[in-house]
Amino acid sequence: SQTIHQWPATLVQPVGSPLSLECTVEGTSNPNLYWYRQAAGRGLQLLFYSVGIGQISSEVPQNLSASRPQDRQFILSSKKLLLSDSGFYLCACQTPGVGYGYTFGSGTRLTVV
Amino acid sequence: QKEVEQNSGPLSVPEGAIASLNCTYSDRGSQSFFWYRQYSGKSPELIMFIYSNGDKEDGRFTAQLNKASQYVSLLIRDSQPSDSATYLCAVNMFGNSGYALNFGKGTSLLVTP
Repeated sequence: SQTIHQWPATLVQPVGSPLSLECTVEGTSNPNLYWYRQAAGRGLQLLFYSVGIGQISSEVPQNLSASRPQDRQFILSSKKLLLSDSGFYLCACQTPGVGYGYTFGSGTRLTVV
Repeated sequence: QKEVEQNSGPLSVPEGAIASLNCTYSDRGSQSFFWYRQYSGKSPELIMFIYSNGDKEDGRFTAQLNKASQYVSLLIRDSQPSDSATYLCAVNMFGNSGYALNFGKGTSLLVTP
């Protein structure tokens, strides 16, 4: 079965600072990987998805970027954080055995101050 | 815009009762349907998925799908206080985001002792 490792669990960053969130996957190869953000009182917003190494698709134009340097590693980055970047960031791995549903990582709670 | 709609709640039911959670979706091309449970501060966890019309049962949970009416529901029998959480409905179809899931904003369920 798949295991998604996501860190850090919580992060408090000042406006204008950089960001790097990492997600790694165990138990599968060549997974489809996704980054979502969940803001307070809002639903899950798809940010990026990747179907393979170096392949990144962006759903929402903003100051965030993503990279996939290895098959089971997915990184979310920003050069300069905005207050509006605060939220709960979730990495997800698509799981064919459950109808292409997701297994989620434990999430990163980001507060930009 | 492909929509997944849920009543935000809170839905309050007494312990031992049946909780009924509903979800409608706009895109008739949707193929698979999912229910996730999310406890406060935690990441979503998959409860059930369904892709054929009718009912699918797993323990105390039953998912119901009606593609003609474009709705999917989740029944929780013998509700327990530990079932108190936000329940997210998700839908996927192959599109510009690959097989990305589109989530509703969730229904908050409170089971009172």
